[in-house]
Amino acid sequence: GQSLEQPSEVTAVEGAIVQINCTYQTSGFYGLSWYQQHDGGAPTFLSYNALDGLEETGRFSSFLSRSDSYGYLLLQELQMKDSASYFCAVKNVNTGFQKLVFGTGTRLLVSP
Amino acid sequence: EAGVVQSPRYKIIEKKQPVAFWCNPISGHNTLYWYLQNLGQGPELLIRYENEEAVDDSQLPKDRFSAERLKGVDSTLKIQPAELGDSAVYLCASSLSGGLETQYFGPGTRLLVL
Repeated sequence: GQSLEQPSEVTAVEGAIVQINCTYQTSGFYGLSWYQQHDGGAPTFLSYNALDGLEETGRFSSFLSRSDSYGYLLLQELQMKDSASYFCAVKNVNTGFQKLVFGTGTRLLVSP
Repeated sequence: EAGVVQSPRYKIIEKKQPVAFWCNPISGHNTLYWYLQNLGQGPELLIRYENEEAVDDSQLPKDRFSAERLKGVDSTLKIQPAELGDSAVYLCASSLSGGLETQYFGPGTRLLVL
């Protein structure tokens, strides 16, 4: 089977740095994506890592270690608008099909 | 450029009634996905289209769910008959072919079955 684990909730204050971890178990792994979803809104793509290492895009960075089946999303200089749910998603091959399988999400609460 | 468009945004129906959701993907995106999202969970794939062909419908409950993508653009997802457990958000997404990791989602249809 396959599984993804991420914390259910993380809290932080404005201006701080927060890291959201994701561990996965899957076969046919291609890479790890991250999506943001505000309450009542659509998931929006943040990043994709196919290779080991850190990818930086503005205040957000994403890291992948294929050997550890682990990745994280790093959010810097937190703003109130960053309060949302964050989903990691593995791209893999399952039953002959490429799929993007989402985790259960981490709810980030940013306080003043 | 317009994003993925879905309608209706909200739908309330009685159980055993039929319901249909419509999706218009981003222009030029050949791949279209339908997902189901329950409260507090991540999206779960129901079906994926490449142009007008359903290439992965392994997770679509075919006894009551059906989908079509005529002409390889707009798509419709139907449930008949709806059950109480179908209450969820139905998300449509699109991507470029081969760009499965980077999907663009619509706002979803929030379905409540009474």
